[in-house]
Amino acid sequence: DSGVTQTPKHLITATGQRVTLRCSPRSGDLSVYWYQQSLDQGLQFLIQYYNGEERAKGNILERFSAQQFPDLHSELNLSSLELGDSALYFCASNSVLTGELFFGEGSRLTVL
Amino acid sequence: AQSVTQLDSHVSVSEGTPVLLRCNYSSSYSPSLFWYVQHPNKGLQLLLKYTSAATLVKGINGFEAEFKKSETSFHLTKPSAHMSDAAEYLCVVTDNQAGTALIFGKGTTLSVSS
Repeated sequence: DSGVTQTPKHLITATGQRVTLRCSPRSGDLSVYWYQQSLDQGLQFLIQYYNGEERAKGNILERFSAQQFPDLHSELNLSSLELGDSALYFCASNSVLTGELFFGEGSRLTVL
Repeated sequence: AQSVTQLDSHVSVSEGTPVLLRCNYSSSYSPSLFWYVQHPNKGLQLLLKYTSAATLVKGINGFEAEFKKSETSFHLTKPSAHMSDAAEYLCVVTDNQAGTALIFGKGTTLSVSS
């Protein structure tokens, strides 16, 4: 158990819909990273938050947004879903001292 | 800019034979380097990490990696493969100076046959 919690584990929805994925980092970690893993693209960095503020942005689509709340949990919002958004979405938090990332088990999104 | 290249997308070995998964990096600063493993339908787990201490790093499950600055490499090895080692392996480089840039390689799928 990495200490990073993600919900839901599985989600099936239709094109055009909107979903929210939730992540709680390890106790004491201030950063949250979101990654998308699809078969053809591999693991892609989406966005990072540090203590409530956006720190870095990767290949995140405009239809996607995220935020980190005062209690440090984070939500990734995916809207106007397309078939190609079907993927495994990982959240991670990292140790400030070592940089080591601790990953949640992921949320598998299927868009039909 | 930092980058990481995993030279093989797929490696196949027989059980009991050595494993070599290759990773090259590019970094403007002294990097920290990690290897993660991902088993099917599971999250990613840290195998080992290099953070400017000993250049030969030992990790879990018998894996080790050697940081070679002159070759800008951080190859992952194991003397004897087990069936349970079949998984996806990801090499990651981070920029120590910024502390926030985490670059993932595209991954190497390791297959182990009996």
